[in-house]
Amino acid sequence: KAGVTQTPRYLIKTRGQQVTLSCSPISGHRSVSWYQQTPGQGLQFLFEYFSETQRNKGNFPGRFSGRQFSNSRSEMNVSTLELGDSALYLCASSSRGDETQYFGPGTRLLVL
Amino acid sequence: GIQVEQSPPDLILQEGANSTLRCNFSDSVNNLQWFHQNPWGQLINLFYIPSGTKQNGRLSATTVATERYSLLYISSSQTTDSGVYFCAVDRGGSYIPTFGRGTSLIVHP
Repeated sequence: KAGVTQTPRYLIKTRGQQVTLSCSPISGHRSVSWYQQTPGQGLQFLFEYFSETQRNKGNFPGRFSGRQFSNSRSEMNVSTLELGDSALYLCASSSRGDETQYFGPGTRLLVL
Repeated sequence: GIQVEQSPPDLILQEGANSTLRCNFSDSVNNLQWFHQNPWGQLINLFYIPSGTKQNGRLSATTVATERYSLLYISSSQTTDSGVYFCAVDRGGSYIPTFGRGTSLIVHP
């Protein structure tokens, strides 16, 4: 089986712009979770989607949003980018969301 | 919210040595996971261990939920074990994990 893929791998944006990141889960997995990793805040949970529905959400402002498509692929969007949004964004997939997760390689976002 | 503390923050070993990493949490949890992030950023789920002991090769983990801690044991360490080890807990009901700051491990040949 192919692993979790994330695109793009690297991205440079400027403050105020918006960005969309994509995650393709392992075939058959219906749960996709997103995480943000920064040197200052560490690893933080953004949200989880299961069968096209947002099932859980971490403590992030409304500028961070996501969605999941019928084929389980997921996108996350960050609007009105701030310098502090520079981070490694990781997605992970699992069958049901409550057991072993498989992570993608991440998207490194730099906001200038 | 729940607090997760990992110790030690940094660890340097010679190849072949054993080590124990600790994860303390401030409240009862429904789930605890251990992860390894290699130097290139790839995160791997090592254990899903809300209680009890599990082993996978040279790695094993024990969670004592009643005392609010978990231990990750690495035996006969190898250079490929280098990276950062994270534990994450969630309270159950909803999957909203809280991560510790991690233990950075360097294994020298």
